Amino acid sequence: NAGVTQTPKFRVLKTGQSMTLLCAQDMNHEYMYWYRQDPGMGLRLIHYSVGEGTTAKGKVPDGYNVSRLKKQNFLLGLESAAPSQTSVYFCASSSGGPPYEQYFGPGTRLTVT
Amino acid sequence: GEDVEQSLFLSVREGDSSVINCTYTDSSSTYLYWYKQEPGAGLQLLTYIFSNMDMKQDQRLTVLLNKKDKHLSLRIADTQTGDSAIYFCAESTTLGNNRLAFGKGNQVVVIP
Repeated sequence: NAGVTQTPKFRVLKTGQSMTLLCAQDMNHEYMYWYRQDPGMGLRLIHYSVGEGTTAKGKVPDGYNVSRLKKQNFLLGLESAAPSQTSVYFCASSSGGPPYEQYFGPGTRLTVT
Repeated sequence: GEDVEQSLFLSVREGDSSVINCTYTDSSSTYLYWYKQEPGAGLQLLTYIFSNMDMKQDQRLTVLLNKKDKHLSLRIADTQTGDSAIYFCAESTTLGNNRLAFGKGNQVVVIP
């Protein structure tokens, strides 16, 4: 099992450019999540999905869109990148059953100049 | 509420015990977790405790839960240099959909 994988690992964007981050999990998990991690802020939930074809907003959804067309994949899109979106992005997945633990990918470090 | 508070930094000598503390606000959380993040890596689940337990021991790790004070702690015995990392506590929330609320993390530096 690869667990949760994320591509790319690093990316530099110019303001206004768009990109898509890909998350994949091979654990047949129902739930998937996108977080961003900023110094001193901990992890903040951007969007999540409770199953294939569903998405929902987390705490900081503005400027991001997501799609879950296949159960194993969860895509995070930035339509028009801003410097405030410079961050490390983590994807996670969960089976949906107790103890509800989430498994994390290695992260994508995004810099917007 | 779903705020989780953690102190920021702990320095400990190799071989000593480390204690990391966390307070949470959602008294109806069913599970509480400790995650470890090594430099440049994602979060790795270390252990979790069910809310009806007071203590859980797993090898060098001891988790203590005080539900009255909403206080969670992680003790690492015989701390090793490989324990240098950021430690996050998290709680399952009443928001449902398996959402977790994370603290801001506590950086532990082990001095050889």
